[in-house]
Amino acid sequence: ETGVTQTPRHLVMGMTNKKSLKCEQHLGHNAMYWYKQSAKKPLELMFVYNFKEQTENNSVPSRFSPECPNSSHLFLHLHTLQPEDSALYLCASSQDRNRGGETQYFGPGTRLLVL
Amino acid sequence: AQKVTQAQTEISVVEKEDVTLDCVYETRDTTYYLFWYKQPPSGELVFLIRRNSFDEQNEISGRYSWNFQKSTSSFNFTITASQVVDSAVYFCALIKAAGNKLTFGGGTRVLVKP
Repeated sequence: ETGVTQTPRHLVMGMTNKKSLKCEQHLGHNAMYWYKQSAKKPLELMFVYNFKEQTENNSVPSRFSPECPNSSHLFLHLHTLQPEDSALYLCASSQDRNRGGETQYFGPGTRLLVL
Repeated sequence: AQKVTQAQTEISVVEKEDVTLDCVYETRDTTYYLFWYKQPPSGELVFLIRRNSFDEQNEISGRYSWNFQKSTSSFNFTITASQVVDSAVYFCALIKAAGNKLTFGGGTRVLVKP
């Protein structure tokens, strides 16, 4: 496989469920990102990881819990979500966050619906 | 603070027409990078171009061309002889050279009708 992959592509969950989103990059990059894209809102950066260390948390509620076990994999654990959390969640990777200005390559996203 | 504005929310054209997407940005940094991404209905953001703030040369790639004008803080994107497959949302974005935060514009939806 090439590029950035995300699973599942679609997810419907209740407010009391716990689920996880998975992202995997096959580009040899060291930085990974989670973005949220809601209807009628700009893309919002949620978390940044560089060399497995979290370097950015953009004031994201604790019901979203990221995990980065290695530079190729990134997870977003979800629990007790709200309907307003329904959105497209995009994962991205770049060569090295510390080099600055690097191109971010995106996965296809997980379209999440919270009922 | 950085800001990217895409004033056109939606553009509709007929196939083979040219379409230009505007992008205006604000930044206090002297060194930065500008990007364009395409988001087709499938959802994936597809990287199109990255441009360094010191490189004001216009660029052409097939039917795509970009016009970077630092004096007006604009980085416009033109699709020549549009095709139905060009239908997508296009995002302009900015990142400072020493940073990792990509600031996106609101996107412009392009609809190309046959």
